[in-house]
Amino acid sequence: DVQLVESGGGLVQPGGSLRLSCAASGFTFSTYWMHWVRQGPGKGLVWVSRINPDGSSSSYTDSVKGRFTISRDNAKNTLYLQMNSLRVDDTAVYYCAREWNDMAFDCWGQGTLVTVSS
Amino acid sequence: DIQMTQSPSSLSASIGDRVTITCRASQSLTTFLNWYQQKPGKAPKLLIYAASTLQTGVPSRFSGSGSGTDFTLTISSLQPEDFASYYCQQTYITPWTFGQGTKVEIK
Repeated sequence: DVQLVESGGGLVQPGGSLRLSCAASGFTFSTYWMHWVRQGPGKGLVWVSRINPDGSSSSYTDSVKGRFTISRDNAKNTLYLQMNSLRVDDTAVYYCAREWNDMAFDCWGQGTLVTVSS
Repeated sequence: DIQMTQSPSSLSASIGDRVTITCRASQSLTTFLNWYQQKPGKAPKLLIYAASTLQTGVPSRFSGSGSGTDFTLTISSLQPEDFASYYCQQTYITPWTFGQGTKVEIK
């Protein structure tokens, strides 16, 4: 079965850092674009970042540019999101998602909660 | 960025009701429009892609229509397991953006 499992969330103070991981299984990870999407408490879905299959190209939503870095290790079938200079408004559940056919997100992880608070 | 506006933001309906949710884009998407269902505490699930194509395993009571800037998600006969939030998403231009969501509640 296709599966994505996030980890690495937690409580961090403003200005701190966290690295999220997303372990993929059940499919050929190295052939898919992968994304991070977040959802603040009681809020809607917001796309955060994406990375191409070989890791050579990435993009970010404006609010995280210069603070977050997406990366992947295809040998370990794992996607990462390094989050630095965290702000209170980064508090959210972070989902990794697989891009399917350049068209949609057909597989999502269960999410990992990041709480930024003093 | 393309702005996506869903209406209504929430609705109350009864089992068996026909439910319609609309999504309007700030520019034409042709048919690059998807619908997701999200239940509390769970990840979103892809229901419909390319405006009107049902994802494998999605019940046929769900349907999507539209093109250009105006799209509709219809549930023909609401079932207990359909009470959830629904989000549209455009994948015509990056960054892919979502609507603000529609919460379907029990009347």
